[in-house]
Amino acid sequence: GAGVSQSPSNKVTEKGKDVELRCDPISGHTALYWYRQSLGQGLEFLIYFQGNSAPDKSGLPSDRFSAERTGGSVSTLTIQRTQQEDSAVYLCASSFWTGAGNEQFFGPGTRLTVL
Amino acid sequence: DQQVKQNSPSLSVQEGRISILNCDYTNSMFDYFLWYKKYPAEGPTFLISISSIKDKNEDGRFTVFLNKSAKHLSLHIVPSQPGDSAVYFCAAPYAGGTSYGKLTFGQGTILTVHP
Repeated sequence: GAGVSQSPSNKVTEKGKDVELRCDPISGHTALYWYRQSLGQGLEFLIYFQGNSAPDKSGLPSDRFSAERTGGSVSTLTIQRTQQEDSAVYLCASSFWTGAGNEQFFGPGTRLTVL
Repeated sequence: DQQVKQNSPSLSVQEGRISILNCDYTNSMFDYFLWYKKYPAEGPTFLISISSIKDKNEDGRFTVFLNKSAKHLSLHIVPSQPGDSAVYFCAAPYAGGTSYGKLTFGQGTILTVHP
């Protein structure tokens, strides 16, 4: 079956513009996660959705960042008024469930460059 | 506060030899760990995991060791192959209380296996 897909693969934008990043999780996966990897850094958790529960937004770095998940499937990460420090690879992952042993399957990421 | 640390940014080994990648953690509540491998321009892929009720887990050429008293785990790859060249991340899924899900990652170690 298809894995996690993300679009676009690359996005170049100007400082101050808004961007939307899309994630299509694996069908049937109830949990969806967003992470980012800045240059030379590890992967940083941003937000995750589990079924119909309220999302865990504890990793969002500022109120310019938001995400939604429609119909329990596709998710969109929105960054408003982008700044140069937002430049990073944004990774989406999904899993069947959340738990200690859950394996998260990652998409290829969206490389965001803010000029 | 870096709760999962990989203090070696890079490691270079000869094909056929053993690769040892190290990871330290500070949160004593962490009771499950995962290793992910990441190739350039791809998302991380799950490699192997270990629960704190064990001190070793083996899968083919990959073995993870956990030393709870030292809050240290290591990934051994033997024999190493050129195709193992990638960035390796250790991660913990514990999210607080009785909650698991979002992964806390180390900074990653770049492994290069020379033919």
